[in-house]
This record gives sequence, C-alpha cells and structure tokens, in this order.
Amino acid sequence: GEQVEQLPSILRVQEGSSASINCSYEDSASNYFPWYKQEPGENPKLIIDIRSNMERKQIQELIVLLDKKAKRFSLHITDTQPGDSAMYFCAANLDTNAYKVIFGKGTHLHVLP
Amino acid sequence: GGIITQTPKFLIGQEGQKLTLKCQQNFNHDTMYWYRQDSGKGLRLIYYSITENDLQKGDLSEGYDASREKKSSFSLTVTSAQKNEMAVFLCASSIDSSAETLYFGSGTRLTVL
Repeated sequence: GEQVEQLPSILRVQEGSSASINCSYEDSASNYFPWYKQEPGENPKLIIDIRSNMERKQIQELIVLLDKKAKRFSLHITDTQPGDSAMYFCAANLDTNAYKVIFGKGTHLHVLP
Repeated sequence: GGIITQTPKFLIGQEGQKLTLKCQQNFNHDTMYWYRQDSGKGLRLIYYSITENDLQKGDLSEGYDASREKKSSFSLTVTSAQKNEMAVFLCASSIDSSAETLYFGSGTRLTVL
C-alpha cells in the first residue's frame, strides 16, 4: 500500500502543554519518516526526522517515536508555544529504491494562549 | 545555501487550457518532485524525477505531464485545466537518495476560471 494516515486533522492545546500527532504507514519497506512544519503562507520545512534504525529521537522540544512493528510513528511537542501553531505533515518514503515520499493529510495545530 | 524558484507564483487559466509550471533549483540536487496541495488533503505526489531525463509517476499523475530536461529544472504541465480548480503546486528537491530532506519552493497557486 501507499498510504500514510495522519491524525488528528485539527489539534487545539493550551500554551505550555504537550501536543501529539500520530501517523501510520502501510509499506513495511519504508525506512525514513520526516516531519514538516508549514506556517501560513510559507512552504513546508523539515523540523525533525527518524530513520528505521531508531525508535526515538529528540531535538529540543520535539520528540519523534517510531514503532516499526506496528508501522506507526508520532511527533510530540512538549511545552508548546504560540509559534508552534502551524500545519504539520508526517511523511514516509515508500520504497527504498524509488524515492517516493508520501505525505499524510496534515494536522492543523492551534496553541491557545 | 541553495534556493528553489517556482514560476509563476500565481497562475490563472481557462477551462481546457494547457498550463505549464516551472521549477528551478541551484542545490545541484539529483531528485525533484511535484506535489499538489489542497486544503484537507495534504500534499499529493504528482511526478518525481530521480535524475536528469528521468520521470516517475506519483499517485496523482493523471491529467499532468512533466519534463526534466536539465538537472536544475523540472516543469509540470496541466494538460487540460478543470473549471473551478484551485490548488497550490509545490516543487521540491532532495540531494540524491530516498531518505533525505525535501526542500520546497514557495509554490504556484493555480486558479481556473
């Protein structure tokens, strides 16, 4: 299969709390799972990624988890700030030889003051 | 640092018209992509190209043609614009493999009257 499912589509959290976005994929050959942030009027930019040889990766307040057995990966933003409000997309490459990068439908995160 | 330039930024066409979108990158990246972004549907892959003169279909290739005549440029043609169609087309590039960061251009916003 060539789908990446992403939930929720909209997420509202209070400033200072955590936000979690979950994604699942179908292709067991996937080995690269990036997360992109898109601010209004801007193009998507990579914020963190994880490869299949890892289960957890953290960059400052961003944590990504990968469960290869369940074919799920997730992004957790700790201590959210108003600047974290944006669209977030998960993605996966679907075949290590074909360079196809497929995106989830996105999560619109609103951090409420 | 490099840059991806998409032209035009805004494109207005008539139903049935053939429309061409252009993308240039100076990263010297091998792989380039065209994605379509619709509200609520995320980024859907139209075409990608692993190297000069290579073309690979994505999930949304019907109704589109693409051309990679030079390493630095990747163009997309809407073969017959659909009335009331509105979307943003994003071009991206990555260095040379299936597990690397995608760098996006600023997009071309298409409106079909």
